[in-house]
Amino acid sequence: QSVLTQPPSVSAAPGQKVTISCSGSSSNIVNNYASWYQQLPGTAPKLLIYEDNKRPSGIPDRFSGSKSGTSATLGITGLQTGDEADYYCGTWDSSLSTVVFGGGTKLTVL
Amino acid sequence: QLQLQESGPGLVKPSETLSLTCTVSGDSISRSSHYWGWIRQPPGKGLEWIGNTYYTGSTYCNPSLKSRVTISVDTSKNQFSLRLSSVTAADTAVYYCARHSWVGGNHYFDYWGQGTLVTVSS
Repeated sequence: QSVLTQPPSVSAAPGQKVTISCSGSSSNIVNNYASWYQQLPGTAPKLLIYEDNKRPSGIPDRFSGSKSGTSATLGITGLQTGDEADYYCGTWDSSLSTVVFGGGTKLTVL
Repeated sequence: QLQLQESGPGLVKPSETLSLTCTVSGDSISRSSHYWGWIRQPPGKGLEWIGNTYYTGSTYCNPSLKSRVTISVDTSKNQFSLRLSSVTAADTAVYYCARHSWVGGNHYFDYWGQGTLVTVSS
């Protein structure tokens, strides 16, 4: 059971937009920054978003991050078949004194 | 371009110690303001942070694993290592090393190794 809760799966058609939620609490999401990772099949995770809404160099602006209250959200616009992957949120949990990750969300581009 | 590469045995017997090394290229561990960490992923499951180290040798570990984990750094070889003792089948996972950016409540992993599968079995 993950400290951060993500939907197990989401799906949308090519070209459409999708959002993935990451629900936490005051000990993690509310008071610490969220990050998001994309894991393509058989590969290592890749950083998509850090500090809630910043994109590393090379990450297209189709990917965005936001946070409100106890939830962080990853948005992906202009979906492509190459976006099919598992997506994970992560943050620090001040009560547990550890980095925590969500359980992951599998994105299917129909 | 920063690169990280894990190395170590792919098979470990139950109750023994898992040992992995991460070699960093493209950045100097001793001149970096970043931490260097380990994350694992059991087959078909999510990510779990194991811990990290700084070039000074200070370490921080997931409390759930702390009693079994040792993380060390060798700046002369630009490497850092993980030792996990008393392993069981539950420790079977892909183990990743990664650069860990940590400033206050801001934690993220911006460079990852390709990962190495470690199986615990007799």
